[in-house]
Amino acid sequence: KNEVEQSPQNLTAQEGEFITINCSYSVGISALHWLQQHPGGGIVSLFMLSSGKKKHGRLIATINIQEKHSSLHITASHPRDSAVYICAVEKIGNQFYFGTGTSLTVIP
Amino acid sequence: EAEVAQSPRYKITEKSQAVAFWCDPISGHATLYWYRQILGQGPELLVQFQDESVVDDSQLPKDRFSAERLKGVDSTLKIQPAELGDSAMYLCASKPRAVNEQFFGPGTRLTVL
Repeated sequence: KNEVEQSPQNLTAQEGEFITINCSYSVGISALHWLQQHPGGGIVSLFMLSSGKKKHGRLIATINIQEKHSSLHITASHPRDSAVYICAVEKIGNQFYFGTGTSLTVIP
Repeated sequence: EAEVAQSPRYKITEKSQAVAFWCDPISGHATLYWYRQILGQGPELLVQFQDESVVDDSQLPKDRFSAERLKGVDSTLKIQPAELGDSAMYLCASKPRAVNEQFFGPGTRLTVL
């Protein structure tokens, strides 16, 4: 059983489209993280959320603690946004559980 | 800008051989994680250190895998003997004490033939 479920698994979009990636989790958490992984493996942290909403450039992340759900939105998508986006939850004790990732391809 | 260092970046080995990966976390980061990521899946925790102590190694296959962080700084992950199913990306991450954010290294991609 996966503590973290992401959808969709794969996503192809045209440049300029608005993109939403969803994450649901089943455990109590202290924080939720959105990560970006480019081909080659490097992972960078995009957001850390414990409530509400955060925005950074064209990226927006929201979390609903009661519903145990988070979304990552990309506005005006661009080919350079093509990557795997991973949702991870952090439990008390600094233990992290990861979703399987959403592979995004943005076509020019 | 400080980064988590890992070496080697790529490793090809034959099954039954021993392999070792090294991770140097960002200076001052107390928590160090080793993850295994199979292609198409999310990272899976192998072991978590707090300083030099193991906090969680429940998912570490201890018959063949070992990990140490003797001085609470850098860490080594060893596999002996390697099996075909061990082919994956091995990621190291570190986290400072008061911040809930992990910083990932570039990973070591292991191929077992």
